[in-house]
Amino acid sequence: AQTVTQSQPEMSVQEAETVTLSCTYDTSENNYYLFWYKQPPSRQMILVIRQEAYKQQNATENRFSVNFQKAAKSFSLKISDSQLGDTAMYFCAFMKLDRGGADGLTFGKGTHLIIQP
Amino acid sequence: EAQVTQNPRYLITVTGKKLTVTCSQNMNHEYMSWYRQDPGLGLRQIYYSMNVEVTDKGDVPEGYKVSRKEKRNFPLILESPSPNQTSLYFCASSSQAYGPYEQYFGPGTRLTVT
Repeated sequence: AQTVTQSQPEMSVQEAETVTLSCTYDTSENNYYLFWYKQPPSRQMILVIRQEAYKQQNATENRFSVNFQKAAKSFSLKISDSQLGDTAMYFCAFMKLDRGGADGLTFGKGTHLIIQP
Repeated sequence: EAQVTQNPRYLITVTGKKLTVTCSQNMNHEYMSWYRQDPGLGLRQIYYSMNVEVTDKGDVPEGYKVSRKEKRNFPLILESPSPNQTSLYFCASSSQAYGPYEQYFGPGTRLTVT
């Protein structure tokens, strides 16, 4: 079974600063995806960024980027030029792949990110 | 518009009264799943389905049932709800045929069992 650990229950930064959320995972699988989801106060789950394990290049989506260290089983999320709208819960998630396709998501417990004006 | 819908969005019920939360997707996805979210625990998978008539248990299946008679629908059934099933429930779907296997989530159902 896989486990996902987010060691920062809550973080607070000033608007426009850069913030990094940490995530580590434990798995014996070699073929998998990693995701970061954002959950604002509306409770909607919004995909922020994804990373395929076989890709060495770190994924980037506008102000969001990841630092994927496969050997260390680490998958941190960096938010640059943080904005008030980035205030939300952030969940790291793991999905293994097998011959049948994708599997369910295993989530970390989340990091509550607060952007201060 | 591609979406996953859930109904109801909010539900308050009493212990033992059977209820069903519906989930429907319009993306022709093979894979559908139910999660529950509890404070400090993140989201945990309840049941999943890899295609019509194929369902399997996730990490926390006790007290729940599901069915998948049609590709687009995946209802969650609580035959005898108890207070420990008070939670926020999410339905999700994804394609199994090809990547990136992104799971699309419904808006959530807030369930309170008294």
